[in-house]
Amino acid sequence: EDKVVQSPLSLVVHEGDTVTLNCSYEVTNFRSLLWYKQEKKAPTFLFMLTSSGIEKKSGRLSSILDKKELSSILNITATQTGDSAIYLCAVEANSGYALNFGKGTSLLVTP
Amino acid sequence: NAGVTQTPKFRVLKTGQSMTLLCAQDMNHEYMYWYRQDPGMGLRLIHYSVGEGTTAKGEVPDGYNVSRLKKQNFLLGLESAAPSQTSVYFCASRRNTGELFFGEGSRLTVL
Repeated sequence: EDKVVQSPLSLVVHEGDTVTLNCSYEVTNFRSLLWYKQEKKAPTFLFMLTSSGIEKKSGRLSSILDKKELSSILNITATQTGDSAIYLCAVEANSGYALNFGKGTSLLVTP
Repeated sequence: NAGVTQTPKFRVLKTGQSMTLLCAQDMNHEYMYWYRQDPGMGLRLIHYSVGEGTTAKGEVPDGYNVSRLKKQNFLLGLESAAPSQTSVYFCASRRNTGELFFGEGSRLTVL
């Protein structure tokens, strides 16, 4: 059975800190790994990582895929209160049509 | 361009009542999904569709039915609501490159 595990489940940091969120997976025929940010409503897309694109960066956010360790990290530097959200990791396998989501990491950035 | 629209956004039901959640997307996506989100459980797939007229079961399909009569619409039905179906329901459609686009969610309470 495909599995996606995120850690930590929750995290509290001070503004300006750097955080690293983790996602590990066990899927048959890995195709892609996606990161989403969820504030109060709908999850919004951050990054997609595949075998041909293992590192992505956008502003203060960056993500790396480690195919050997079957994991990914999401880094946020110089955190701001607006970064407070649930960060979701999802993995797609070649054999399926749907994304399997982890339980998410709840990040709170305090002033 | 509205993206993915869900109706209703809030609903309270009594045990045994039925209802239908409607999802509409205007991006001409083939794939559509219904997820439920519960505290500490992440997003769990209920049903999905890979095209007009097709549907398939996800991880937690029991107690739900779906229909995809038109490409742009994906309906989720509860025939006899139970308190265990109290949740936030998210519809999503998928771009060919893999990213999911989510609706804003429908909060359902079953008393």
